[in-house]
Amino acid sequence: GAVVSQHPSRVICKSGTSVKIECRSLDFQATTMFWYRQFPKQSLMLMATSNEGSKATYEQGVEKDKFLINHASLTLSTLTVTSAHPEDSSFYICSARALAGRADTQYFGPGTRLTVL
Amino acid sequence: AQSVTQPDIHITVSEGASLELRCNYSYGATPYLFWYVQSPGQGLQLLLKYFSGDTLVQGIKGFEAEFKRSQSSFNLRKPSVHWSDAAEYFCGMNYGGSQGNLIFGKGTKLSVKP
Repeated sequence: GAVVSQHPSRVICKSGTSVKIECRSLDFQATTMFWYRQFPKQSLMLMATSNEGSKATYEQGVEKDKFLINHASLTLSTLTVTSAHPEDSSFYICSARALAGRADTQYFGPGTRLTVL
Repeated sequence: AQSVTQPDIHITVSEGASLELRCNYSYGATPYLFWYVQSPGQGLQLLLKYFSGDTLVQGIKGFEAEFKRSQSSFNLRKPSVHWSDAAEYFCGMNYGGSQGNLIFGKGTKLSVKP
């Protein structure tokens, strides 16, 4: 149980294009989903917190117009990197916090490697 | 301010040897504590967690961790390391924020010698 998927696992795009990454909780409902960014050999940096049906809360320094987050249902959140540039290349990981029972534990997706040319 | 510190950036142990990865936290009360493992190019897998109660918690893959309030520590241990344990290990803390946000340490990379 507590499986989180991400799609795609890897994406390469040209500078200026937009990329959408999906995060799904497969066997539980998630009140809250989190989006992290991880640079090589570094820890995870929380970008934003999204709650189903409401606007995401962004961490300081994260551009909300660049990293659009939509949490349309209790099992799906999407991160769209708009007008991507090479400096946006990174490993993006989502996590989901269960609605009940395991509400204080985050379960992580496998990550998405974004490369912007 | 709340923080999590993993003092060791990289540890190398021989296969079959015991392992201890250190984690210290800074918080005024008892936080929720977690250990996650990350293999290269992968997401994070939950190894174990501590919320309350017994301070020695058992996790998956033969790992355990002990919460020591007096030392503000939550060290991860394994009595006999396997080559497949080579990975990056992250200690995390949920200090009770309304959203359940996690703060992570910088990670400890574990290498295993044959």
